[in-house]
Amino acid sequence: QKEVEQNSGPLSVPEGAIASLNCTYSDRGSQSFFWYRQYSGKSPELIMFIYSNGDKEDGRFTAQLNKASQYVSLLIRDSQPSDSATYLCASETADNAGNMLTFGGGTRLMVKP
Amino acid sequence: GAVVSQHPSWVICKSGTSVKIECRSLDFQATTMFWYRQFPKQSLMLMATSNEGSKATYEQGVEKDKFLINHASLTLSTLTVTSAHPEDSSFYICSARKNTEAFFGQGTRLTVV
Repeated sequence: QKEVEQNSGPLSVPEGAIASLNCTYSDRGSQSFFWYRQYSGKSPELIMFIYSNGDKEDGRFTAQLNKASQYVSLLIRDSQPSDSATYLCASETADNAGNMLTFGGGTRLMVKP
Repeated sequence: GAVVSQHPSWVICKSGTSVKIECRSLDFQATTMFWYRQFPKQSLMLMATSNEGSKATYEQGVEKDKFLINHASLTLSTLTVTSAHPEDSSFYICSARKNTEAFFGQGTRLTVV
């Protein structure tokens, strides 16, 4: 069974700090990994995706992937109160139905002014 | 990024009635769309994969006769919740893939009274 695990939080950080969000996955066949941000009552919005080992940076966000450890993380630098949301990690695998996303339970981030 | 439009954003219906939710890819063609359900404070759960021109693929535990999916064109998939009951009240979200990214509709909050 494919599983994606995240600490539900809440993770509380002060404004301006670095927020570190972590995710582990069970399916070694997972090819790509996605981070989504979801505000309460809203649909998820894509932050970034990563499919190669190492770091990928986009503005204040850095995704890190370690396939050997089956570990994905998202770093948010200079955290802002507007970053307060639930962050969903998803892994992508291919099966007979095509490529599928499996979501973790999400980590709730609170950035305090 | 690509735009996926979902309609309606919210709906209240009486128990026993049916509700149709539409998901449109506005600026790209999507041969595959996905339908998710999200209960409060839980992650997205894949319900089914909608395939243009063929039958949908349902996840284990999802009743295909209750959640009817039609993907009649490359830009439109519909989910009909038939004979809705209060336990069907949830946030329903569709997504469509464009290249390597999955884009989400705005979500539909269904309340069955």
